[in-house]
This record gives sequence, C-alpha cells and structure tokens, in this order.
Amino acid sequence: KNEVEQSPQNLTAQEGEFITINCSYSVGISALHWLQQHPGGGIVSLFMLSSGKKKHGRLIATINIQEKHSSLHITASHPRDSAVYICAVRSLSYSGGGADGLTFGKGTHLIIQP
Amino acid sequence: NAGVTQTPKFQVLKTGQSMTLQCAQDMNHNSMYWYRQDPGMGLRLIYYSASEGTTDKGEVPNGYNVSRLNKREFSLRLESAAPSQTSVYFCASRPSGEAYEQYFGPGTRLTVT
Repeated sequence: KNEVEQSPQNLTAQEGEFITINCSYSVGISALHWLQQHPGGGIVSLFMLSSGKKKHGRLIATINIQEKHSSLHITASHPRDSAVYICAVRSLSYSGGGADGLTFGKGTHLIIQP
Repeated sequence: NAGVTQTPKFQVLKTGQSMTLQCAQDMNHNSMYWYRQDPGMGLRLIYYSASEGTTDKGEVPNGYNVSRLNKREFSLRLESAAPSQTSVYFCASRPSGEAYEQYFGPGTRLTVT
C-alpha cells in the first residue's frame, strides 16, 4: 500500500517568511498533486507534476522521483496563504485508491501571522 | 461555469435515516469521484465513475451506494446512516487521461446522531 507522509503536520510562521512543506511517498508514482484547502473547506488543485519543478506566482513545487520526495515552497508568505496543504500521489500500480490510484497525505496546517 | 456543485452544504441525520448527496459538474468531465474527509486522516475515496454508466468501489465503499445519472451528475446515497458516517463529503471530477488534475466541489458536512 502506498503511504504518503507530509511534514510538518502544523506550521506557524510570520508574514514574509519562506515556507517549505515536504511530502514523501513509498511506491513508484506517475504524478503528484499539491492541493490547498482553505478554512472554508473548499479544495483547489495547485500543481500536478511528474518531474522537475513548477512555479505559479509565489508557489514553487519540486519533485525528486528517485528519492520519492516532493516539496512545496511559498516565498514571501502572507496571511492569506493560511490553509491546509495536501499532497496526493497517483501510483504506477493502482491499489486501494480507485481508478486514479490517488492516495492523499493527511495535510499540513499552515498559519501565517501578520 | 459553476464547476462542481454539491447539495446540501450541511445535513444532520438520525441513525438509520437515509439521504442522497447530489453532485453535478458542467465541465463535460468523464470521471467523477466521491471522497470523505475525517479529522486526522487524508481524503479517502468512496466510489468513482470513470464514465457515464459505470461506477466502481474505492477504498471505503461500505454503507454507501452511488448513481451516475448522466455525464453531469453523480449522487451518493446513504441507505441507513450510522454515526461513523459523520464526515465531510467531497465530490470531484476531471477529464479522462492521466495528465489532468481533479476539480473539487465545496463539500457537504454531514452529522449523524
């Protein structure tokens, strides 16, 4: 069974700080997703990546397939970045996750204080 | 486009009652999903539908049934609600193929007493 581990579970930082959230997984994957869930509950897809690095505004996602590890970085963090960030992976062999084989981490709860 | 919509937003049921959670998408997506989210756990797949007319079990299907009524709509039914089904339920959809992300609805918060 694929396990997805995120760290840290909780993170509180000051506005302007550089933020890093980590995701590790245990089996081969075809894609990794980073999602954002705001306090209101809605979930939004931030990135989908299978290699290298992607950037969108102040958000950067990287993945190292060999090390089975991905990071999500936030530069110049702002209170509006406060949310739960969720990592999800699509396994190369679909087991226990349905058609997509998506397995989700438990999320990292980020609070950015002014 | 409204994206993925879910009704109701909140629901309180008594043990043994039944109800249907509705989900619709207007993006012409083939694949649709129902997840539940519980405190301290990742999202878990209940059922999915790869295309109109097909449904399959996910990780936690017990106690639930689904219907893919047409390409737009995918409903989740609780026939006899139990307190263990207290959760937040999310519907999602995406186009076919591996290169696409999922789009989530706003969620339904269900409490079973």
